[in-house]
Amino acid sequence: DTGVSQNPRHKITKRGQNVTFRCDPISEHNRLYWYRQTLGQGPEFLTYFQNEAQLEKSRLLSDRFSAERPKGSFSTLEIQRTEQGDSAMYLCASSSYLPGQGFGLTYEQYFGPGTRLTVT
Amino acid sequence: AQSVTQLDSQVPVFEEAPVELRCNYSSSVSVYLFWYVQYPNQGLQLLLKYLSGSTLVKGINGFEAEFNKSQTSFHLRKPSVHISDTAEYFCAVRESSNFGNEKLTFGTGTRLTIIP
Repeated sequence: DTGVSQNPRHKITKRGQNVTFRCDPISEHNRLYWYRQTLGQGPEFLTYFQNEAQLEKSRLLSDRFSAERPKGSFSTLEIQRTEQGDSAMYLCASSSYLPGQGFGLTYEQYFGPGTRLTVT
Repeated sequence: AQSVTQLDSQVPVFEEAPVELRCNYSSSVSVYLFWYVQYPNQGLQLLLKYLSGSTLVKGINGFEAEFNKSQTSFHLRKPSVHISDTAEYFCAVRESSNFGNEKLTFGTGTRLTIIP
């Protein structure tokens, strides 16, 4: 178990450019979450996947944002035409969801170190 | 929908003194409760969680928390803090359902600073 990894760790981009982040979850985890954390705030939910299906998107996720998880393993989060308000830490988390398993491991999300985006 | 309030944005504490970080939540449905810690330039690490049963839960690094349903609180405590406890602490909630989105709703965090 190598944990959740995210790349890059830091990204500086100019306003109007597109950026893409990658998240590699824990290998046996079928659920993957994206959160955004701005300065002085707690993480806010953006979207989540179960296997390759994107099951829910927050209204925070504008049309400029798109997330994919094509083979149910790693996921990418793309932001098009970045704005200064997109500057934040983007966190990825994964979990193992097994319906009917009951209490226990299904309820823990393991977080990656995050990608810090700065839009100048 | 759920919400979480962490009233204390910063808490300075002398080393080896006790500490309590406060968390209150609001929800129209039953919830599970969590405390996460975030060290500088790192992701979130789960300290402890309350799912059901005993209202006093123990976590890693000597932390514990008590669920109080009537006061809708889940305060985090440690009897004696160390320099290494300096970090940001987040309280979080999610719906207590076995199905659907397990998204977490976080508070704004409390920065714990240990004074030598």
